[in-house]
Amino acid sequence: DTEVTQTPKHLVMGMTNKKSLKCEQHMGHRAMYWYKQKAKKPPELMFVYSYEKLSINESVPSRFSPECPNSSLLNLHLHALQPEDSALYLCASSHPWAAGERTDTQYFGPGTRLTVL
Amino acid sequence: AQSVTQLGSHVSVSEGALVLLRCNYSSSVPPYLFWYVQYPNQGLQLLLKYTSAATLVKGINGFEAEFKKSETSFHLTKPSAHMSDAAEYFCAVSEGSTGRRALTFGSGTRLQVQP
Repeated sequence: DTEVTQTPKHLVMGMTNKKSLKCEQHMGHRAMYWYKQKAKKPPELMFVYSYEKLSINESVPSRFSPECPNSSLLNLHLHALQPEDSALYLCASSHPWAAGERTDTQYFGPGTRLTVL
Repeated sequence: AQSVTQLGSHVSVSEGALVLLRCNYSSSVPPYLFWYVQYPNQGLQLLLKYTSAATLVKGINGFEAEFKKSETSFHLTKPSAHMSDAAEYFCAVSEGSTGRRALTFGSGTRLQVQP
């Protein structure tokens, strides 16, 4: 099973709201990722968690706050967003570095379509 | 830093025709390369990956790609296009050799399949 689930599928929020995106995987992966994808653009990396610790933050504004409460779950907390933050937010997961193999294939969820009014 | 360039933002083929989507990479170390497909309003699905085991890689849905080091290319092909192949295709490179567990994507190629 290579399934990554994301909830909700769609989210509409005002600029003063607080909301959270949720991502879950049960593949035993220990690396999890958040990407942001604007229309007609490739995904852009936001955050990487490895063994539940934040390992990469691509200078994302503090109005986005990631959280990895356990090895299966990844959250993205949203607060005081701007209309330009409207996008598809993708979660992905992968095995961490395997001995002798310098790659970790990422499996993506279906995404959350976020609209900020 | 590693990068990929996808030549052609739009490719249109007739149903049954050969599909060729181009990807060139730039890397100072042996790369790990991926092709993903994205259907409208969906996430990304892995088509295939190159991890140095074999230069010709076969993926799902009849797609394959050949790693050519001399040309720094990893083009995606399919002998006969199907209407269901219409989607956005992304080539990506893993930056794993530098310790960053993340993908860098090309700009994408939208494939249209004409009946």
